[in-house]
Amino acid sequence: EPEVTQTPSHQVTQMGQEVILRCVPISNHLYFYWYRQILGQKVEFLVSFYNNEISEKSEIFDDQFSVERPDGSNFTLKIRSTKLEDSAMYFCASSVWASGGLLTDTQYFGPGTRLTVL
Amino acid sequence: DAKTTQPPSMDCAEGRAANLPCNHSTISGNEYVYWYRQIHSQGPQYIIHGLKNNETNEMASLIITEDRKSSTLILPHATLRDTAVYYCIAPYGGSQGNLIFGKGTKLSVKP
Repeated sequence: EPEVTQTPSHQVTQMGQEVILRCVPISNHLYFYWYRQILGQKVEFLVSFYNNEISEKSEIFDDQFSVERPDGSNFTLKIRSTKLEDSAMYFCASSVWASGGLLTDTQYFGPGTRLTVL
Repeated sequence: DAKTTQPPSMDCAEGRAANLPCNHSTISGNEYVYWYRQIHSQGPQYIIHGLKNNETNEMASLIITEDRKSSTLILPHATLRDTAVYYCIAPYGGSQGNLIFGKGTKLSVKP
């Protein structure tokens, strides 16, 4: 069964450093998402991406964050200058479509990348 | 913020049915109800979704009340591996389908 994959599984970085989190969405999917979950808190939406541009973003997704689909398979989240409060699990998700209720809208999540900022 | 209400925790005996309720009184007529679960810190896993009819798949059943203000996720024979946080998400999300997660229900399946 196709699945979303993410690398690395755990990333440790120093405050102020840049990190790139990588995701390979399911191959026939057109919509891509990033979510994060700070330890013990809710899963929070960061950004959605379709047709090589951002569709929607949350207040969390400020100028320090960027997303890119550098080739036909990868989807990346870059944090330019990490802060201690960026420490969290980051989940990538993908769906075929995003109209709001068909089975094709179902988002499938990857296993996550645990980001630790020291 | 999430527009659903779920109990924070529930227990279930292994082999018994787990019935997880969700209130979504502000849902409108064409908005779906989705259920996901998260085992430990893994990525959320899709379980099932529905609009107004009851739905069943290999993982669970979803019962939606006639007025659509609430629903119940049923795991017919819970196992220890079903211990997880279960999220009811309604409506499905923003204009581009982003999911709004609440705190969910922590289901503990006990031997």
